[in-house]
Amino acid sequence: EVQLVQSGAEVKKPGESLKISCKGSGYSFTTYWIGWVRQMPGKGLEWMGVIYPGDSDTTYSPSFQGQVTISADKSISTAYLQWNSLKASDSAMYYCARHISGVHRGAADYWGQGTLVSVSS
Amino acid sequence: ESVLTQSPGTLSLSPGERATLSCRASQSVSGSYIAWYQQKHGQAPRLLIYGASSRATGIPDRFSGSGSGTDFTLTITRLEPEDFAVYYCQQYSSSWRTFGQGTKVEIK
Repeated sequence: EVQLVQSGAEVKKPGESLKISCKGSGYSFTTYWIGWVRQMPGKGLEWMGVIYPGDSDTTYSPSFQGQVTISADKSISTAYLQWNSLKASDSAMYYCARHISGVHRGAADYWGQGTLVSVSS
Repeated sequence: ESVLTQSPGTLSLSPGERATLSCRASQSVSGSYIAWYQQKHGQAPRLLIYGASSRATGIPDRFSGSGSGTDFTLTITRLEPEDFAVYYCQQYSSSWRTFGQGTKVEIK
């Protein structure tokens, strides 16, 4: 069974750093793209970027380029989303999602349960 | 970057009725690289349709997708109680993907 299990909720202060994780199981982690999606409270979905764990090839949305870092450790089948200096506006639910293989790899067929990040002074 | 505009914002229907959701792109979406997702309150999104018209694994056949170019449609032929949710379209024809703003299907 394919599963993506994300790390738990985080409460942070502005300016702090944070790294959240997404562990894949039940499939070949290195051969499927993993993406990250932000959902701010009461709002829609925003695509942040994707990584191919096999070679760490990464693409970011222009809106998130330079604001976050996406990485992966294939030895432990885990993808990460990282901030160096959080802002209150980073408060949101963050989802990781596995993308379909092949030509339709832009679509995400399995999703993590989400990690809620709260940033407040 | 293709901007996706979904309409209507909210659709008020009764169980058993037909739902038609629209997703319009600001630029032609090559390869019909459009996906549709369903999101229920407090849950992660679920993939319904990819490639504009292919149902994802386990998705009931009352869900169907169609369209090409800039205009795409998700149709739910007979609404079941569990179908009341928010629906998002997504394009993946460009290197970075974008979502529409969502359509809420609510019980009338």
